[in-house]
Amino acid sequence: DTEVTQTPKHLVMGMTNKKSLKCEQHMGHRAMYWYKQKAKKPPELMFVYSYEKLSINESVPSRFSPECPNSSLLNLHLHALQPEDSALYLCASSRIQGYEQYFGPGTRLTVT
Amino acid sequence: EDKVVQSPLSLVVHEGDTVTLNCSYEVTNFRSLLWYKQEKKAPTFLFMLTSSGIEKKSGRLSSILDKKELFSILNITATQTGDSAVYLCAVEANNAGNMLTFGGGTRLMVKP
Repeated sequence: DTEVTQTPKHLVMGMTNKKSLKCEQHMGHRAMYWYKQKAKKPPELMFVYSYEKLSINESVPSRFSPECPNSSLLNLHLHALQPEDSALYLCASSRIQGYEQYFGPGTRLTVT
Repeated sequence: EDKVVQSPLSLVVHEGDTVTLNCSYEVTNFRSLLWYKQEKKAPTFLFMLTSSGIEKKSGRLSSILDKKELFSILNITATQTGDSAVYLCAVEANNAGNMLTFGGGTRLMVKP
């Protein structure tokens, strides 16, 4: 299994909803990342987990809450989002921090 | 602040042409430079370069890094319509987070 999977592929949510994005990899990678990508822009790093511990939080608002329940799984919990949070959310993983990152297909989020 | 600049911003060529994409960077404690291809969704890993002057090759794609002049090029020979994509350059710094700083990308369109 050499891929990163993400669910759902698309998500539409209202500003009062609570939803979660899920990312999974079975490559034995110990670093996992969340990125946000707006149209025609490069990905922007949000969070890094290394060995299931939060390593980096790039000053992301608290309405985004990451969670790493085990080494294969990374969640992003969403609550009280704003329309400007609409974007493609990409998950990536690497063997450990410092190795090449492999990206999942992303979740396209629309906040109404 | 770390900076990665790609040029050109966009490029239109015909099948069979050869293209050269450029990436220049200013990064404290450089560790590696990565090239990704992004079509509709997730960036796909192409190359990771850490040493100057050593060409990496994969089929019609090749890339080389110049650590003295702080740039890298990505060459695509005999282009095909399937090469149409955004090509992202990212630089990793040897800091606590080993974060990637992405360039703005080069949008390549290959016409039949």
